[in-house]
Amino acid sequence: EAGVAQSPRYKIIEKRQSVAFWCNPISGHATLYWYQQILGQGPKLLIQFQNNGVVDDSQLPKDRFSAERLKGVDSTLKIQPAKLEDSAVYLCASSSRGPTYEQYFGPGTRLTVT
Amino acid sequence: KQEVTQIPAALSVPEGENLVLNCSFTDSAIYNLQWFRQDPGKGLTSLLLIQSSQREQTSGRLNASLDKSSGRSTLYIAASQPGDSATYLCAVRRVDSNYQLIWGAGTKLIIKP
Repeated sequence: EAGVAQSPRYKIIEKRQSVAFWCNPISGHATLYWYQQILGQGPKLLIQFQNNGVVDDSQLPKDRFSAERLKGVDSTLKIQPAKLEDSAVYLCASSSRGPTYEQYFGPGTRLTVT
Repeated sequence: KQEVTQIPAALSVPEGENLVLNCSFTDSAIYNLQWFRQDPGKGLTSLLLIQSSQREQTSGRLNASLDKSSGRSTLYIAASQPGDSATYLCAVRRVDSNYQLIWGAGTKLIIKP
């Protein structure tokens, strides 16, 4: 079974530029998550999708971040314009329904904003 | 509000030692608890998942325990190896319709050859 795929793996941009990340979850997983992880901290949930609907985006900075999950499969996360404090690893995870709701993570995208 | 704490933030031990990583949480109403491993520059790998009704789970040299009443979980690593060097994160899963994870900041483990 293929795992969660993410691209790109690394991205360096200047502040005020835009960037997009892509995620392909495990086949059949209805729930998809985007996390932001700053060095030395645990992951912070940005947005949770159930199929192609948003379940929780309360911690997504909506003035600059956007995400979509068309057709309930692949997802993209966009930042426009980027700020220095957006430098982090962006993780995508997916999970099936119960009983454990265990999440499986992709390799992440390391974003550096200069 | 649920908070998850992992102490210490970093730990260095000689190869071959048995060691324990700690995780504490403030609200005992959890659905389950997971321990993850994160290697530098890589994503998260799930090591063990303990349902709220369970007391422990084992996988190879790893054993995780859960005491909901005291709000504590431990990850025991037997006969540590240099390849065990990584950051270990603990996360508790909320008991609600979203089943989201609440994360600790992790313990960075270094096993010295």
